[in-house]
Amino acid sequence: DVKVTQSSRYLVKRTGEKVFLECVQDMDHENMFWYRQDPGLGLRLIYFSYDVKMKEKGDIPEGYSVSREKKERFSLILESASTNQTSMYLCASSSPPGPEAFFGQGTRLTVV
Amino acid sequence: AQSVSQHNHHVILSEAASLELGCNYSYGGTVNLFWYVQYPGQHLQLLLKYFSGDPLVKGIKGFEAEFIKSKFSFNLRKPSVQWSDTAEYFCAVRERKSNYQLIWGAGTKLIIKP
Repeated sequence: DVKVTQSSRYLVKRTGEKVFLECVQDMDHENMFWYRQDPGLGLRLIYFSYDVKMKEKGDIPEGYSVSREKKERFSLILESASTNQTSMYLCASSSPPGPEAFFGQGTRLTVV
Repeated sequence: AQSVSQHNHHVILSEAASLELGCNYSYGGTVNLFWYVQYPGQHLQLLLKYFSGDPLVKGIKGFEAEFIKSKFSFNLRKPSVQWSDTAEYFCAVRERKSNYQLIWGAGTKLIIKP
């Protein structure tokens, strides 16, 4: 089974802190994604990566950056956390040509 | 921009009732279509998918969905729901030419009363 692991289930951070969310997949997938999930808004794509060191902005990249130094690991960085970034963050991976995405358990981030 | 609409944000049903969750998309080209499910406290997982062929696709746990190209719809159905079907359901669409991006609906929370 494909496994996508996010480093934390729950995080509480203070406004202005730099926050790292880590995601690791074990199936050698080329594509990795970071979404945020908010009630009534579904999943919104923040960034995705289709190869090591390659990244593309999604729909809501403002306030976020990403890093993909190794194929299996995709990190989401909040440079200066703000309260409007309180959300559930989901990591996913997939491998072309199959578009099916496999998801991690999610990280519920609260910024106070 | 492409979009995916799910008609209901919340659906409440009794056990054994029949279920239909609506999903419409705006893209006019060739698409792949998906329904994902997120059970309480669990990760998102694929329920079923349509790539081509028979427009009626069967998924896990007795779910099925029908692709109606003329209506740009991919509605999810189950003839008789169970309490364990309580979850949030997401419809997603991918343009066939895209390798990466799924366009997601807002999700429908389904609550089954025991």
